[in-house]
Amino acid sequence: DAGVTQSPTHLIKTRGQQVTLRCSPKSGHDTVSWYQQALGQGPQFIFQYYEEEERQRGNFPDRFSGHQFPNYSSELNVNALLLGDSALYLCASTLWRNNEQYFGPGTRLTVT
Amino acid sequence: AQSVTQLDSQVPVFEEAPVELRCNYSSSVSVYLFWYVQYPNQGLQLLLKYLSGSTLVESINGFEAEFNKSQTSFHLRKPSVHISDTAEYFCAVWGYGGSQGNLIFGKGTKLSVKP
Repeated sequence: DAGVTQSPTHLIKTRGQQVTLRCSPKSGHDTVSWYQQALGQGPQFIFQYYEEEERQRGNFPDRFSGHQFPNYSSELNVNALLLGDSALYLCASTLWRNNEQYFGPGTRLTVT
Repeated sequence: AQSVTQLDSQVPVFEEAPVELRCNYSSSVSVYLFWYVQYPNQGLQLLLKYLSGSTLVESINGFEAEFNKSQTSFHLRKPSVHISDTAEYFCAVWGYGGSQGNLIFGKGTKLSVKP
């Protein structure tokens, strides 16, 4: 049973560019959440997708957008990258309204 | 809104010694409480959780945490640590009811176990 998978593992981008990160949820899960973990900080909630719709959003600008596909996988898009967007981006999956989230290994984004 | 405070950013301890990692939270709604562990260059793994019932919860690898509602705390303890416990530990709350439904994390505590 595959757990949560994320791609790519690492990514280096330049300021102003756009990036897309991908996540496949754990088998049987229908809800995907994205978190940003800056160096030395705890993860911060970006948004959550269920039934291909954004259901909740944290305090992030609209440069951060997402999508969920019919197979429950998800993408996180970040436009106009800033140096401060450098972080580990974590995807977590669960069943809708369930409190136990399973995390992927993350994508390390470096913006230069 | 909820918030989580982990009082110690780093905790060094010798192998086989006891350890306590402190966590306090604030919330305007009822919460579930979690401890996650993050090993270097990895994602988060659930260590243990409190949902309801007994206020003392245990993990399979010897950690335990006690929910104290009056002190709004959920401290993590282990009576005897191993080198392999070296990792970063995150306390998190999940507010339920209404539109709540995502994890709020503390800033983490780095546990360093020395031989």
